[in-house]
Amino acid sequence: NAGVTQTPKFRILKIGQSMTLQCTQDMNHNYMYWYRQDPGMGLKLIYYSVGAGITDKGEVPNGYNVSRSTTEDFPLRLELAAPSQTSVYFCASSHRDSYHQETQYFGPGTRLLVL
Amino acid sequence: GQNIDQPTEMTATEGAIVQINCTYQTSGFNGLFWYQQHAGEAPTFLSYNVLDGLEEKGRFSSFLSRSKGYSYLLLKELQMKDSASYLCAVRAPWAGSYQLTFGKGTKLSVIP
Repeated sequence: NAGVTQTPKFRILKIGQSMTLQCTQDMNHNYMYWYRQDPGMGLKLIYYSVGAGITDKGEVPNGYNVSRSTTEDFPLRLELAAPSQTSVYFCASSHRDSYHQETQYFGPGTRLLVL
Repeated sequence: GQNIDQPTEMTATEGAIVQINCTYQTSGFNGLFWYQQHAGEAPTFLSYNVLDGLEEKGRFSSFLSRSKGYSYLLLKELQMKDSASYLCAVRAPWAGSYQLTFGKGTKLSVIP
């Protein structure tokens, strides 16, 4: 299993450009998440999904959109890039057992610089 | 609201023992996680506590006291490769579901 994969690894965007960060998992996990991590700060939840066709906002959703058409893929879309979106983006997936316990597994991250 | 506090940085000597503390104030509680994150890499799962007490896993142990809103991660026989950030995360109710809230992380430097 590859686990959680993300592309691209690194990207530079100009202000106002758009892009999609890709995330794929091969563990058949129902739950998927997008976080951003800024220097010296904790991971902040952007969006999450509890299954194909279902998405919900996290703590910092403004400026982002997501979709979940399949179990495996959970792309994150930036429509109008702003310098405040310069960050490292991590995708994660998890499975909840019958006791509602879960462990999140993270992808390698995408480093985004908006200039 | 959710608030998780942990020290920003710690330094310890190779072969020694180090304890990284985490205190939390959250609206509800459904488990506490510790993750390790090497510089430039993804967080990786270390431990999970949902009941009070100590969970031991090799050189790593994690303790939880729910009444005190307190946890610690204990690393024994420190190795240079243990130099990393250690993230404390609490699973708590969020908008009808459960989500993780992360602390800012503790950067541990292991010196010879």
